Amino acid sequence: DAGVTQSPTHLIKTRGQQVTLRCSPKSGHDTVSWYQQALGQGPQFIFQYYEEEERQRGNFPDRFSGHQFPNYSSELNVNALLLGDSALYLCASSSGGPAYEQYFGPGTRLTVT
Amino acid sequence: GQQVMQIPQYQHVQEGEDFTTYCNSSTTLSNIQWYKQRPGGHPVFLIQLVKSGEVKKQKRLTFQFGEAKKNSSLHITATQTTDVGTYFCAGRVDYKLSFGAGTTVTVRA
Repeated sequence: DAGVTQSPTHLIKTRGQQVTLRCSPKSGHDTVSWYQQALGQGPQFIFQYYEEEERQRGNFPDRFSGHQFPNYSSELNVNALLLGDSALYLCASSSGGPAYEQYFGPGTRLTVT
Repeated sequence: GQQVMQIPQYQHVQEGEDFTTYCNSSTTLSNIQWYKQRPGGHPVFLIQLVKSGEVKKQKRLTFQFGEAKKNSSLHITATQTTDVGTYFCAGRVDYKLSFGAGTTVTVRA
């Protein structure tokens, strides 16, 4: 049973560029959440997707957008990259039911120069 | 907005000793979850507490949820080197999980 997978593992971009990160949820999960984790900090909630719609959003600008596909996989897009966007981006999947425990992927390390 | 505070930020423990990490939310929570992140790794789910005053144990780990559902604690007894890592609490309101900054635990053998 494959867990949550994310690609790419590492990414280096220049300020102003755009980036797309990808996530495949754990088998049987239909809900995907994205988090940004800066060094030495806890994960910060970006948004959650369920049934191909954004169900809830954290305090992130519109430069951060996402998508969920019919197979429950998801993408995170960040436009007009800033140096401050450098972080570990974590995808977490859950079943969407009451248990709601999050299974995290290994993350994508984004560096903006 | 909702804030989750965690103390202490760092905990240096002698192997075999006990310690406790505390979590406080500015708002009432639907539930609280605890995660552990090893250096270089990703957060791994430990437990979820839902009911007011709930207490759950996992071997040497004891988790509590406050009566007002705004605070929680994790107590580890007889700390081992395998306990090294950062422990995060995460409070849930609606579908959003708000993580604390974590308590980073190091163990002296």
